[in-house]
Amino acid sequence: ETGVTQSPTHLIKTRGQQVTLRCSSQSGHNTVSWYQQALGQGPQFIFQYYREEENGRGNFPPRFSGLQFPNYSSELNVNALELDDSALYLCASSATGALNEKLFFGSGTQLSVL
Amino acid sequence: KNEVEQSPQNLTAQEGEFITINCSYSVGISALHWLQQHPGGGIVSLFMLSSGKKKHGRLIATINIQEKHSSLHITASHPRDSAVYICAVNGGSQGNLIFGKGTKLSVKP
Repeated sequence: ETGVTQSPTHLIKTRGQQVTLRCSSQSGHNTVSWYQQALGQGPQFIFQYYREEENGRGNFPPRFSGLQFPNYSSELNVNALELDDSALYLCASSATGALNEKLFFGSGTQLSVL
Repeated sequence: KNEVEQSPQNLTAQEGEFITINCSYSVGISALHWLQQHPGGGIVSLFMLSSGKKKHGRLIATINIQEKHSSLHITASHPRDSAVYICAVNGGSQGNLIFGKGTKLSVKP
């Protein structure tokens, strides 16, 4: 039990739709990062938020956006869904985002785009 | 070439065997993580290393910073150890983690 919860666990969308994925971090964790994991691959960094501001972004287009809220919850929004967006989306939280800090992962949201 | 390489990609062992999973990386890092991912997706952090060796129960992780190499060892393996083991380093340009593709371990009774 990591104390990080994600919802929904599974989601099916069609191409062109928009989706919002949610993550609830441990209380007191000011940093949340989001990752995309395609089947058989390691997770890829999407972006990171610290105290409601984006402070790092991977190689993902602007249609991937996020929000972090004061209550330690966050969202990943994806617009204009494409078939290649089908993947497991993971969030991870930590207290400060320091480089040598342990991360706590959620169980992920499995997104299928048809 | 990926910045984090793991070997082997797949590993099948008999219960009780000693298991070693290797991770090599090509970027400068301040810490390396070993993670465990079970079917269904959830990831659990096993170790975070910046030098030397750490032990937790039957799991041992080592890192050689000069050689940019880390190993995860499992002693007296058990079927419940079956999972994907992922190595990740905090060498991204944004300070983010860079992940290996994982090693799928299956321990047979």
